[in-house]
Amino acid sequence: EPEVTQTPSHQVTQMGQEVILRCVPISNHLYFYWYRQILGQKVEFLVSFYNNEISEKSEIFDDQFSVERPDGSNFTLKIRSTKLEDSAMYFCASSLGRLPTDTQYFGPGTRLTVL
Amino acid sequence: KQEVTQIPAALSVPEGENLVLNCSFTDSAIYNLQWFRQDPGKGLTSLLLIQSSQREQTSGRLNASLDKSSGRSTLYIAASQPGDSATYLCANSGNEKLTFGTGTRLTIIP
Repeated sequence: EPEVTQTPSHQVTQMGQEVILRCVPISNHLYFYWYRQILGQKVEFLVSFYNNEISEKSEIFDDQFSVERPDGSNFTLKIRSTKLEDSAMYFCASSLGRLPTDTQYFGPGTRLTVL
Repeated sequence: KQEVTQIPAALSVPEGENLVLNCSFTDSAIYNLQWFRQDPGKGLTSLLLIQSSQREQTSGRLNASLDKSSGRSTLYIAASQPGDSATYLCANSGNEKLTFGTGTRLTIIP
C-alpha cells in the first residue's frame, strides 16, 4: 500500500541553524500538509499546499517557515533559524482531493530537537 | 475557532472488554470527523472517517459514531486486545486542515 515517507526520522540541530525536513507524499496525491506535535501537546496544523502554492497556513507558520515542492516527488519544510520551541515531531500528510471530503495520510514524522 | 476535546485523557481496561472513547467539538459546523491511532514515537494511522452526512462508520472491531447536534463523536472498540494499546486522536476535518483533540491514551491490560 502506498505510504507517505519522511526523512530524517530524527534531526538534532543547534539554535539558529537552518533545517530542512523532507517528505515524499503518495505519488498521485495533489494536496500536501505539514503538522507538528510538541511533546505532550496536540497535533497542530502548520500549512497546506496545492498547485505549487500555500493554500492555508496557521499563525504558527511565520516568516521563519517555508515550504517547497522542488520536484515532482518531494515536499519540504524549511525552518530558517531554529528556536528551542521549534523542538517537536513534524508530520507530513497528503490527500488525493481537498479536505473535507478526502482522507489525509500521514507520514511517520521527523523528530526535531533544537539544542 | 474549533476546539476538540477528548475525555478521558487516559484509560486502562482489562483485555476482552468493550470500551468507548469520547470526542467533543465546539463548532457544530463540522465537516468530517476522523479517528486516528498513534503509537509511541510514531506517526498517525487513520482508523475511520465519518462524513458529515453520516452517523457512523465501522471497520472490524471499531465503530465510530457522529452526532453533530450534540457536538460529539464516540469510538467503540469491541473485545479489546493488548495490541489496541495506543493513543487515539479524533480530528475535525475542516477546509484545508484537521483540528485535533488532545487524545486518549488507552492501555489494555492482559
